[in-house]
Amino acid sequence: DGGITQSPKYLFRKEGQNVTLSCEQNLNHDAMYWYRQDPGQGLRLIYYSQIVNDFQKGDIAEGYSVSREKKESFPLTVTSAQKNPTAFYLCASSIFATSNQPQHFGDGTRLSIL
Amino acid sequence: GQQVMQIPQYQHVQEGEDFTTYCNSSTTLSNIQWYKQRPGGHPVFLIQLVKSGEVKKQKRLTFQFGEAKKNSSLHITATQTTDVGTYFCAGGGAGSYQLTFGKGTKLSVIP
Repeated sequence: DGGITQSPKYLFRKEGQNVTLSCEQNLNHDAMYWYRQDPGQGLRLIYYSQIVNDFQKGDIAEGYSVSREKKESFPLTVTSAQKNPTAFYLCASSIFATSNQPQHFGDGTRLSIL
Repeated sequence: GQQVMQIPQYQHVQEGEDFTTYCNSSTTLSNIQWYKQRPGGHPVFLIQLVKSGEVKKQKRLTFQFGEAKKNSSLHITATQTTDVGTYFCAGGGAGSYQLTFGKGTKLSVIP
């Protein structure tokens, strides 16, 4: 059964700590995305990747980093530079990185500050 | 940059009443997509519209794309409790790699 798997479901970060959110897809999609969702704010794009070893900043990339070493995986690191990391993080994928393609989302990771 | 505005932010309806959410873009879109997010869940793709003036139906849901390809609407006839959730529109510009999401309309249905 194809899909996108995000882990963990819940994550807690201490002050000054970096944390990494996992996103794996078995849909054979070229493009992957990371969004941040805050109440009443909709989805805001953090980073996206069109192909392996390539990624681009989205609208709110500051304080985040990503890598795309494998087609299936697109982990997101929330660094200590992100001062307000508490949010719901959603990973998505699409066949190609164009705005004409529907996006498939994982179940999300809820990140909170301790 | 491209902005997508969606109204209303919240809508409470009695079960059986109709519901409409509207989406407006600051720029002409190549396509618009609609997603539904159930409480505690993730967004799920509903439909894509690409043609000027296009209308598509899915059972009780009717989706429209404006003639100028800058606005869209989702109308639900005779709401049911299963319709509860947040509905997002997402617009794509020609040649763009990313979708711009509206802030969503949260629908509550009172049984």
